[in-house]
Amino acid sequence: DAGVIQSPRHEVTEMGQEVTLRCKPISGHNSLFWYRQTMMRGLELLIYFNNNVPIDDSGMPEDRFSAKMPNASFSTLKIQPSEPRDSAVYFCASCGGASYNEQFFGPGTRLTVL
Amino acid sequence: GEDVEQSLFLSVREGDSSVINCTYTDSSSTYLYWYKQEPGAGLQLLTYIFSNMDMKQDQRLTVLLNKKDKHLSLRIADTQTGDSAIYFCAESSQGGKLIFGQGTELSVKP
Repeated sequence: DAGVIQSPRHEVTEMGQEVTLRCKPISGHNSLFWYRQTMMRGLELLIYFNNNVPIDDSGMPEDRFSAKMPNASFSTLKIQPSEPRDSAVYFCASCGGASYNEQFFGPGTRLTVL
Repeated sequence: GEDVEQSLFLSVREGDSSVINCTYTDSSSTYLYWYKQEPGAGLQLLTYIFSNMDMKQDQRLTVLLNKKDKHLSLRIADTQTGDSAIYFCAESSQGGKLIFGQGTELSVKP
């Protein structure tokens, strides 16, 4: 298995632009999580889905952030408009099936907003 | 709310044992985890322990859980330079979401 796949790996954009981060979970996993990692705040859960349905989005910082999971093999995290304080590494993780209690992380997307 | 605390830095000599400590507040946690993050990389699941266990050993790794004191530790035997990384403790909360500590940066000196 290829593991959790995220794209792009790096994104540099200007303030005000729309940013879309993508994630493909491990096949057979039915839970997907989006995390953000910064020096100041560490690792924070933004939102998670179970069977493609958003369960808890209380970690989404504000309305500029939105996430979707249109099917079991794809999810997006969108920031519109982006701001410099959104600069961080965004991780996607998935779990499910026999490894329902083990979250496997993708390599992350390093976002820089200028 | 839930909180997970770790010391920020640990330095050991190659060949020594490393012990990384973690405390948590949520007494209803079902699983507790240790993840490893190398520079520029994602998080790698090292091991986890179910909350009704008090010890788990996996090769060079030993996890100890004191549920009464809400204290978790990770011991790495015969620490190698390749073990240098940031180690995150995490507890599972409702719905499976993870609450992470700040991470402990382990530095292994030859």
